[in-house]
Amino acid sequence: TQLLEQSPQFLSIQEGENLTVYCNSSSVFSSLQWYRQEPGEGPVLLVTVVTGGEVKKLKRLTFQFGDARKDSSLHITAAQPGDTGLYLCAGGGQGGSEKLVFGKGTKLTVNP
Amino acid sequence: EADIYQTPRYLVIGTGKKITLECSQTMGHDKMYWYQQDPGMELHLIHYSYGVNSTEKGDLSSESTVSRIRTEHFPLTLESARPSHTSQYLCASSPQMSSYNEQFFGPGTRLTVL
Repeated sequence: TQLLEQSPQFLSIQEGENLTVYCNSSSVFSSLQWYRQEPGEGPVLLVTVVTGGEVKKLKRLTFQFGDARKDSSLHITAAQPGDTGLYLCAGGGQGGSEKLVFGKGTKLTVNP
Repeated sequence: EADIYQTPRYLVIGTGKKITLECSQTMGHDKMYWYQQDPGMELHLIHYSYGVNSTEKGDLSSESTVSRIRTEHFPLTLESARPSHTSQYLCASSPQMSSYNEQFFGPGTRLTVL
């Protein structure tokens, strides 16, 4: 059973469009992290959200943690080709564990 | 910029060979991790360490072994590689002071066993 479900699995859009990707779980996490991974590289941490209902902005990226701390979303405004990559969410503190649980990711392609 | 390195970046070997994947970090992080990543699948934790002489198996069963003799170095060894070991191996580290276990990843080693 997968603890973190990410949707959509694939997303291909044109430059300038807006998009939202989702990370959902039936479990409560004490924190939720978002990473971006480019081909041939390791994931890079974008943000950590820890409070239910929290919203964080990173330039054109807006991250939200659900009120119940079971889900999160990432919204990108005016996507650019440089946003292309695999977006991974990772939950921490589930069941008191320090280990992170990763979703399968959303592969985003932004076409010029 | 994270200072965590993995070598080799790519490795193609025959069945039965012994291999060691290297991982080093210069950030002084106590916590280090090895993950396995396959296309369309979650990252699976195969080993972790919370400090020198501390190693634990992760959630995904693996035939590999690890050692942590120095803080900065966390190599992974496969005694006898098989085609089922073909995968991307990612090393990561996290500072002890990180409340949420935020991780810095290396670039990965793409292993192919023929």
